[in-house]
Amino acid sequence: AQKVTQAQTEISVVEKEDVTLDCVYETRDTTYYLFWYKQPPSGELVFLIRRNSFDEQNEISGRYSWNFQKSTSSFNFTITASQVVDSAVYFCALSGEAGGHGSSNTGKLIFGQGTTLQVKP
Amino acid sequence: SQTIHQWPATLVQPVGSPLSLECTVEGTSNPNLYWYRQAAGRGLQLLFYSVGIGQISSEVPQNLSASRPQDRQFILSSKKLLLSDSGFYLCASYRDRRRNSPLHFGNGTRLTVT
Repeated sequence: AQKVTQAQTEISVVEKEDVTLDCVYETRDTTYYLFWYKQPPSGELVFLIRRNSFDEQNEISGRYSWNFQKSTSSFNFTITASQVVDSAVYFCALSGEAGGHGSSNTGKLIFGQGTTLQVKP
Repeated sequence: SQTIHQWPATLVQPVGSPLSLECTVEGTSNPNLYWYRQAAGRGLQLLFYSVGIGQISSEVPQNLSASRPQDRQFILSSKKLLLSDSGFYLCASYRDRRRNSPLHFGNGTRLTVT
């Protein structure tokens, strides 16, 4: 069975600190997809990144970076020089299927419990 | 680009009352559609998904049902709400038809059952 664990329930940092959100996953699929979503206080889910299991290159997007390590089944998310606007709940998710419309894609994303990040000024 | 509309944004309903939440998608045809629920302080759970009109798959046994009367319309219903139905309900669809398209979510409906 697939499972996503975000062991950190809440994290509090002061602005400009770096912070890493941990994500550990379990799956028997050889091909799978990992995601991070941000949920600000307004409630909507904002897509941040999607990684394929066969692409272990780490990725950087501005202040955001992601470290994918298949050996430890982890997909950690780091925010560099955090800002107050980064305060949100962050979800890691796993899917055994590629995206896109089509009857073969059930779109089952398995979510972790989320990590609440509070960035204080 | 695709837009997901959900309404109402918030809803307070008494136990035993019926429920109807609506989701419509613009900017695409024959989309896959999904209902997720987020209970307070918890992650998201997939409730239903639909790959076409009249085609509904249920992921968990529950007090809720879903219907897809039109290509871009997905409805979540209940005949009699329970307290445990309270939560944040999110409709989702893939951004586009490409294989690597990410799943995008509507703004959600916050349901409180009293």
